[in-house]
Amino acid sequence: NAGVTQTPKFQVLKTGQSMTLQCAQDMNHNSMYWYRQDPGMGLRLIYYSASEGTTDKGEVPNGYNVSRLNKREFSLRLESAAPSQTSVYFCASSEIGTGGAFFGQGTRLTVV
Amino acid sequence: GNSVTQMEGPVTLSEEAFLTINCTYTATGYPSLFWYVQYPGEGLQLLLKATKADDKGSNKGFEATYRKETTSFHLEKGSVQVSDSAVYFCALSDGGATNKLIFGTGTLLAVQP
Repeated sequence: NAGVTQTPKFQVLKTGQSMTLQCAQDMNHNSMYWYRQDPGMGLRLIYYSASEGTTDKGEVPNGYNVSRLNKREFSLRLESAAPSQTSVYFCASSEIGTGGAFFGQGTRLTVV
Repeated sequence: GNSVTQMEGPVTLSEEAFLTINCTYTATGYPSLFWYVQYPGEGLQLLLKATKADDKGSNKGFEATYRKETTSFHLEKGSVQVSDSAVYFCALSDGGATNKLIFGTGTLLAVQP
Protein backbone atom coordinates (compact mmCIF):
# COMPACT_ATOMS: atom_id res chain seq x y z
CA ASN A 1 0.00 0.00 0.00
CA ALA A 2 2.78 2.43 -0.97
CA GLY A 3 0.75 5.32 -2.48
CA VAL A 4 3.22 8.09 -3.43
CA THR A 5 6.90 7.39 -2.82
CA GLN A 6 9.59 10.07 -2.91
CA THR A 7 13.35 9.70 -2.79
CA PRO A 8 15.53 10.84 -1.18
CA LYS A 9 14.04 11.94 2.16
CA PHE A 10 16.91 14.30 2.99
CA GLN A 11 19.58 15.96 0.87
CA VAL A 12 22.24 18.59 1.35
CA LEU A 13 23.66 20.25 -1.76
CA LYS A 14 26.31 22.83 -2.36
CA THR A 15 25.39 25.91 -4.41
CA GLY A 16 25.65 25.07 -8.09
CA GLN A 17 25.27 21.32 -7.73
CA SER A 18 22.52 19.47 -9.52
CA MET A 19 20.18 16.74 -8.38
CA THR A 20 16.98 14.93 -9.29
CA LEU A 21 14.14 14.21 -6.91
CA GLN A 22 12.28 11.03 -7.77
CA CYS A 23 8.56 10.36 -7.33
CA ALA A 24 6.46 7.31 -8.13
CA GLN A 25 2.82 6.50 -7.51
CA ASP A 26 1.07 3.16 -7.67
CA MET A 27 -2.57 4.34 -7.80
CA ASN A 28 -2.77 4.60 -11.59
CA HIS A 29 -3.45 8.35 -11.33
CA ASN A 30 -3.21 10.49 -14.43
CA SER A 31 -2.13 13.73 -12.75
CA MET A 32 1.04 14.37 -10.78
CA TYR A 33 2.43 17.48 -9.08
CA TRP A 34 5.49 18.94 -7.42
CA TYR A 35 5.04 21.43 -4.59
CA ARG A 36 7.46 23.21 -2.32
CA GLN A 37 6.66 24.09 1.28
CA ASP A 38 8.22 27.09 2.96
CA PRO A 39 7.43 28.54 6.40
CA GLY A 40 4.51 30.93 6.33
CA MET A 41 3.81 30.34 2.64
CA GLY A 42 1.89 27.11 2.54
CA LEU A 43 2.51 24.87 -0.44
CA ARG A 44 3.26 26.37 -3.84
CA LEU A 45 2.99 24.48 -7.09
CA ILE A 46 6.23 24.16 -9.04
CA TYR A 47 5.20 21.98 -12.00
CA TYR A 48 2.44 19.57 -12.80
CA SER A 49 1.62 16.88 -15.30
CA ALA A 50 -2.04 16.46 -16.16
CA SER A 51 -1.37 13.23 -18.00
CA GLU A 52 1.48 11.10 -19.27
CA GLY A 53 3.48 13.01 -21.86
CA THR A 54 2.44 16.50 -20.73
CA THR A 55 3.97 18.93 -18.25
CA ASP A 56 3.15 22.54 -17.36
CA LYS A 57 4.53 25.28 -15.17
CA GLY A 58 2.95 26.09 -11.87
CA GLU A 59 3.35 29.13 -9.66
CA VAL A 60 7.13 28.93 -9.00
CA PRO A 61 8.86 27.02 -11.86
CA ASN A 62 12.09 29.02 -12.17
CA GLY A 63 15.21 26.96 -11.52
CA TYR A 64 13.44 23.62 -11.96
CA ASN A 65 12.75 21.12 -14.72
CA VAL A 66 10.53 18.05 -14.70
CA SER A 67 10.13 14.81 -16.58
CA ARG A 68 7.04 12.62 -16.70
CA LEU A 69 8.87 9.39 -17.40
CA ASN A 70 5.74 7.26 -17.60
CA LYS A 71 2.35 7.18 -15.92
CA ARG A 72 3.89 6.19 -12.57
CA GLU A 73 6.93 8.44 -12.35
CA PHE A 74 7.43 12.21 -12.24
CA SER A 75 10.88 13.61 -11.46
CA LEU A 76 12.00 17.11 -10.49
CA ARG A 77 15.47 18.34 -11.41
CA LEU A 78 17.49 21.21 -10.02
CA GLU A 79 20.17 22.01 -12.60
CA SER A 80 22.15 24.48 -10.49
CA ALA A 81 20.98 24.59 -6.90
CA ALA A 82 20.67 27.92 -5.08
CA PRO A 83 20.16 28.63 -1.36
CA SER A 84 16.67 29.98 -2.22
CA GLN A 85 15.73 26.43 -3.18
CA THR A 86 16.18 25.23 0.38
CA SER A 87 12.74 23.86 1.13
CA VAL A 88 10.64 20.76 1.68
CA TYR A 89 9.46 19.28 -1.61
CA PHE A 90 6.30 17.23 -1.96
CA CYS A 91 5.13 15.11 -4.83
CA ALA A 92 1.41 14.39 -5.19
CA SER A 93 -0.93 12.57 -7.51
CA SER A 94 -4.64 12.67 -8.20
CA GLU A 95 -7.31 11.45 -10.54
CA ILE A 96 -9.37 13.96 -12.45
CA GLY A 97 -12.85 14.44 -11.11
CA THR A 98 -12.32 12.89 -7.69
CA GLY A 99 -10.90 15.98 -6.10
CA GLY A 100 -8.03 16.11 -3.67
CA ALA A 101 -4.61 14.56 -4.02
CA PHE A 102 -2.36 12.04 -2.32
CA PHE A 103 1.00 13.26 -1.09
CA GLY A 104 4.39 11.68 -0.59
CA GLN A 105 6.37 12.01 2.64
CA GLY A 106 8.48 14.87 1.34
CA THR A 107 12.14 15.60 0.61
CA ARG A 108 13.91 18.03 2.88
CA LEU A 109 16.51 19.82 0.75
CA THR A 110 19.16 22.17 2.10
CA VAL A 111 21.38 24.15 -0.26
CA VAL A 112 24.48 25.63 1.37
CA GLY B 1 -6.90 34.45 -9.54
CA ASN B 2 -8.00 31.82 -7.08
CA SER B 3 -6.71 32.08 -3.52
CA VAL B 4 -7.21 30.76 0.00
CA THR B 5 -6.86 32.69 3.24
CA GLN B 6 -6.77 30.96 6.59
CA MET B 7 -6.28 32.20 10.12
CA GLU B 8 -2.74 32.47 11.30
CA GLY B 9 -1.51 30.39 14.15
CA PRO B 10 -0.38 29.02 16.28
CA VAL B 11 -3.64 28.03 17.91
CA THR B 12 -3.09 26.66 21.41
CA LEU B 13 -5.91 24.81 23.13
CA SER B 14 -6.41 22.60 26.13
CA GLU B 15 -7.58 19.04 25.62
CA GLU B 16 -11.36 18.77 25.11
CA ALA B 17 -11.68 22.40 24.00
CA PHE B 18 -13.69 23.44 20.94
CA LEU B 19 -11.70 24.13 17.78
CA THR B 20 -12.42 26.53 14.93
CA ILE B 21 -9.92 27.33 12.20
CA ASN B 22 -11.21 29.91 9.75
CA CYS B 23 -10.78 29.59 6.01
CA THR B 24 -12.10 31.84 3.25
CA TYR B 25 -11.53 31.59 -0.46
CA THR B 26 -11.65 33.57 -3.68
CA ALA B 27 -12.49 31.66 -6.81
CA THR B 28 -14.31 31.86 -10.09
CA GLY B 29 -16.82 29.15 -10.74
CA TYR B 30 -17.52 26.38 -8.28
CA PRO B 31 -14.35 25.03 -6.68
CA SER B 32 -14.04 21.96 -4.50
CA LEU B 33 -12.75 22.67 -1.00
CA PHE B 34 -10.44 20.60 1.19
CA TRP B 35 -8.80 20.42 4.58
CA TYR B 36 -5.45 18.66 4.80
CA VAL B 37 -3.53 17.78 7.95
CA GLN B 38 0.24 17.48 8.32
CA TYR B 39 1.66 15.72 11.36
CA PRO B 40 5.27 16.48 12.31
CA GLY B 41 7.77 15.09 9.80
CA GLU B 42 5.08 13.71 7.52
CA GLY B 43 3.37 14.54 4.25
CA LEU B 44 -0.12 15.98 3.90
CA GLN B 45 -3.15 13.78 4.43
CA LEU B 46 -6.62 14.59 3.17
CA LEU B 47 -8.82 15.22 6.20
CA LEU B 48 -12.14 16.10 4.56
CA LYS B 49 -13.61 17.66 1.46
CA ALA B 50 -16.76 19.25 0.03
CA THR B 51 -17.51 19.58 -3.64
CA LYS B 52 -20.56 21.87 -3.78
CA ALA B 53 -22.32 24.58 -1.82
CA ASP B 54 -23.87 23.52 1.51
CA ASP B 55 -22.02 20.20 1.49
CA LYS B 56 -20.58 19.21 4.85
CA GLY B 57 -17.34 17.26 4.91
CA SER B 58 -16.54 15.26 8.03
CA ASN B 59 -13.88 12.87 9.28
CA LYS B 60 -12.40 11.87 12.67
CA GLY B 61 -14.71 14.31 14.50
CA PHE B 62 -13.73 17.25 12.28
CA GLU B 63 -16.36 19.03 10.19
CA ALA B 64 -16.46 21.85 7.65
CA THR B 65 -19.39 23.25 5.64
CA TYR B 66 -19.03 24.76 2.17
CA ARG B 67 -20.63 28.23 2.47
CA LYS B 68 -20.87 29.88 -0.91
CA GLU B 69 -22.60 33.02 0.38
CA THR B 70 -19.68 33.79 2.71
CA THR B 71 -17.01 32.02 0.60
CA SER B 72 -15.92 30.11 3.69
CA PHE B 73 -14.98 26.58 4.74
CA HIS B 74 -14.21 26.77 8.47
CA LEU B 75 -12.84 23.68 10.21
CA GLU B 76 -14.43 22.69 13.54
CA LYS B 77 -14.07 19.97 16.12
CA GLY B 78 -16.05 19.73 19.31
CA SER B 79 -13.39 18.27 21.58
CA VAL B 80 -9.73 18.25 20.56
CA GLN B 81 -7.15 15.73 21.72
CA VAL B 82 -3.39 16.00 22.11
CA SER B 83 -3.09 13.73 19.08
CA ASP B 84 -4.79 16.42 16.94
CA SER B 85 -1.70 18.62 17.25
CA ALA B 86 -0.59 19.25 13.67
CA VAL B 87 -0.61 21.83 10.89
CA TYR B 88 -3.94 22.20 9.08
CA PHE B 89 -4.16 23.46 5.50
CA CYS B 90 -7.25 24.70 3.71
CA ALA B 91 -7.17 24.25 -0.08
CA LEU B 92 -9.30 24.59 -3.17
CA SER B 93 -9.34 22.93 -6.54
CA ASP B 94 -11.06 24.27 -9.59
CA GLY B 95 -11.18 20.79 -11.02
CA GLY B 96 -11.06 20.91 -14.78
CA ALA B 97 -8.33 19.10 -16.66
CA THR B 98 -5.57 19.65 -14.12
CA ASN B 99 -7.10 19.33 -10.64
CA LYS B 100 -4.46 21.67 -9.24
CA LEU B 101 -4.71 22.50 -5.54
CA ILE B 102 -4.22 26.03 -4.18
CA PHE B 103 -3.30 26.08 -0.50
CA GLY B 104 -3.63 28.48 2.37
CA THR B 105 -0.55 29.17 4.49
CA GLY B 106 -1.43 26.59 7.14
CA THR B 107 -2.42 26.86 10.82
CA LEU B 108 -0.43 25.17 13.54
CA LEU B 109 -2.61 23.63 16.24
CA ALA B 110 -1.04 22.73 19.57
CA VAL B 111 -3.22 20.87 22.07
CA GLN B 112 -2.02 20.74 25.65
CA PRO B 113 -3.02 18.00 28.12
